[in-house]
Amino acid sequence: QQPVQSPQAVILREGEDAVINCSSSKALYSVHWYRQKHGEAPIFLMILLKGGEQKGHDKISASFNEKKQQSSLYLTASQLSYSGTYFCGTESMDSNYQLIWGAGTKLIIKP
Amino acid sequence: DGGITQSPKYLFRKEGQNVTLSCEQNLNHDAMYWYRQDPGQGLRLIYYSQIVNDFQKGDIAEGYSVSREKKESFPLTVTSAQKNPTAFYLCASSNRASNQPQHFGDGTRLSIL
Repeated sequence: QQPVQSPQAVILREGEDAVINCSSSKALYSVHWYRQKHGEAPIFLMILLKGGEQKGHDKISASFNEKKQQSSLYLTASQLSYSGTYFCGTESMDSNYQLIWGAGTKLIIKP
Repeated sequence: DGGITQSPKYLFRKEGQNVTLSCEQNLNHDAMYWYRQDPGQGLRLIYYSQIVNDFQKGDIAEGYSVSREKKESFPLTVTSAQKNPTAFYLCASSNRASNQPQHFGDGTRLSIL
């Protein structure tokens, strides 16, 4: 079952913060986050493993709430380069190493 | 420099024609994947392969075929049975284990003439 991402789209001014959520109805083993610019390949951002860990680099971080089967991606002090569509991919115990992808969240950063 | 190479970047298909999209990787990954992406949509899995000479159907395999004769290569054929082939096609690879990121090629954009 496809994870649900919210919001579908968000428009920010440069320097503002954003939170993107990814929720699943299945028990998850991990959550992967990617960013895709229009017409380009998705770029890997980070993996969150069950255990509720939080990871991050630069001003992009994420958390994984195993109890709620939900992951959140945090973008702080957004930069123009953060624009793109963010996808979560979820891996569950029965997914046989496959990722099930959310529909994406489009992020537009304005100067 | 390791990576995934997809070719061609743009492809046009005439009605009734089969076309083949190339995907080559030099990352020594066991697993390879083909996804279809329609405008404003997420990634839908067409086929995947976890080992040479073996592959499985994904969610939307009808009208497509693949082969995996070499570890490095996973070509996708869009057959004439696929009536709506216009889309962006992405190939990816990963290590065959949990918690491994997928690495993507730059994609092939297929259109109907």
